[in-house]
Amino acid sequence: GDSVTQMEGPVTLSEEAFLTINCTYTATGYPSLFWYVQYPGEGLQLLLKATKADDKGSNKGFEATYRKETTSFHLEKGSVQVSDSAVYFCALRNSGNTPLVFGKGTRLSVIA
Amino acid sequence: NAGVMQNPRHLVRRRGQEARLRCSPMKGHSHVYWYRQLPEEGLKFMVYLQKENIIDESGMPKERFSAEFPKEGPSILRIQQVVRGDSAAYFCASSPPTRPYEQYFGPGTRLTVT
Repeated sequence: GDSVTQMEGPVTLSEEAFLTINCTYTATGYPSLFWYVQYPGEGLQLLLKATKADDKGSNKGFEATYRKETTSFHLEKGSVQVSDSAVYFCALRNSGNTPLVFGKGTRLSVIA
Repeated sequence: NAGVMQNPRHLVRRRGQEARLRCSPMKGHSHVYWYRQLPEEGLKFMVYLQKENIIDESGMPKERFSAEFPKEGPSILRIQQVVRGDSAAYFCASSPPTRPYEQYFGPGTRLTVT
């Protein structure tokens, strides 16, 4: 079945450091790919998405590019802030009304 | 426009009791999804409902778990005779009828079974 694998955390960075969180997927067909963020005590919020190969999703300084050849959707940010501390989930949805398939999440801690 | 609402936020039940989790979707959303998040795990899909219909329950345990989304009122996830392994965070998401991929999540209900 479809699956998402993302790098294990926790990831600890200093403020203004560069962030990469790796995400790879296995899926039949042509899934849409998503990054969600979960702040402490809250539900998941959609951070960005890409629906086809070579699409780049971006939001709040975060970016991820849909790479079909490497089945990857790595999350990047050039300069992280303390307020970016959260758990980040990579997810895919294959087609139609199929449910989201999530990775296990990567906890990011940014220290001042 | 209020977001997806879930209550209670925290629920403690003894083994063998019943747990009822409620989810009110965003205004105008007619699709509801339930997910379960075990400690240190990602979210796992449980069930997808539209008003008065279960569309996909492939992620629901075969016993003790049920879900409904009535014509009026919130969606309910019901767990009968809870066991310790049911302790988890349960998240509800809703989406508009024409864009099912736009899932908006509630804050979750954290169920603890003692």
